Amino acid sequence: SAVISQKPSRDICQRGTSLTIQCQVDSQVTMMFWYRQQPGQSLTLIATANQGSEATYESGFVIDKFPISRPNLTFSTLTVSNMSPEDSSIYLCSVGQGSTEAFFGQGTRLTVV
Amino acid sequence: GNSVTQMEGPVTLSEEAFLTINCTYTATGYPSLFWYVQYPGEGLQLLLKATKADDKGSNKGFEATYRKETTSFHLEKGSVQVSDSAVYFCAHNTNAGKSTFGDGTTLTVKP
Repeated sequence: SAVISQKPSRDICQRGTSLTIQCQVDSQVTMMFWYRQQPGQSLTLIATANQGSEATYESGFVIDKFPISRPNLTFSTLTVSNMSPEDSSIYLCSVGQGSTEAFFGQGTRLTVV
Repeated sequence: GNSVTQMEGPVTLSEEAFLTINCTYTATGYPSLFWYVQYPGEGLQLLLKATKADDKGSNKGFEATYRKETTSFHLEKGSVQVSDSAVYFCAHNTNAGKSTFGDGTTLTVKP
């Protein structure tokens, strides 16, 4: 199993500012994933973060808006840039072990005012 | 492509009623299948999983069987409790941890 620590757990931010979310895993993993859960919605994959290469973004998400870092095999950050109220969501970090398991952090509840 | 289709909600039941939440999927290869639960104000928790055809996942009285022939993974519980009120997500995982989620089904159990 994997234990994921994500912080901050919640934040209230002013529009136009940026927030960086950190994700720490207790074991080395090849791929880490970032999801967004908008209010009342399901989870949508933002991007896949591999160590040593640029993140791969899903359709509708771009690096300028959601830059991701992956400096080593246990850590990643997601930045939500130039925030607007539409960015208010829960952001979740996830890791997988093969195809049989996926583990999620507790999420970061972001409110943009 | 990969997708997960869940029974539309919300679902409202009386305590001790039988619960079924339907889930079907499309995927390349042979995915692992999951049900996650999200209680009000909390994060996502794995409820149960099945990694191959005909496997049955079970936890806390909930069950789901991996049906390859119908590409389904329906969630069932024989007798729901008020404490089961939550949002339930069906998901599959085909690529080293990359998950595809259904839209979620909100369950409300009334005493």
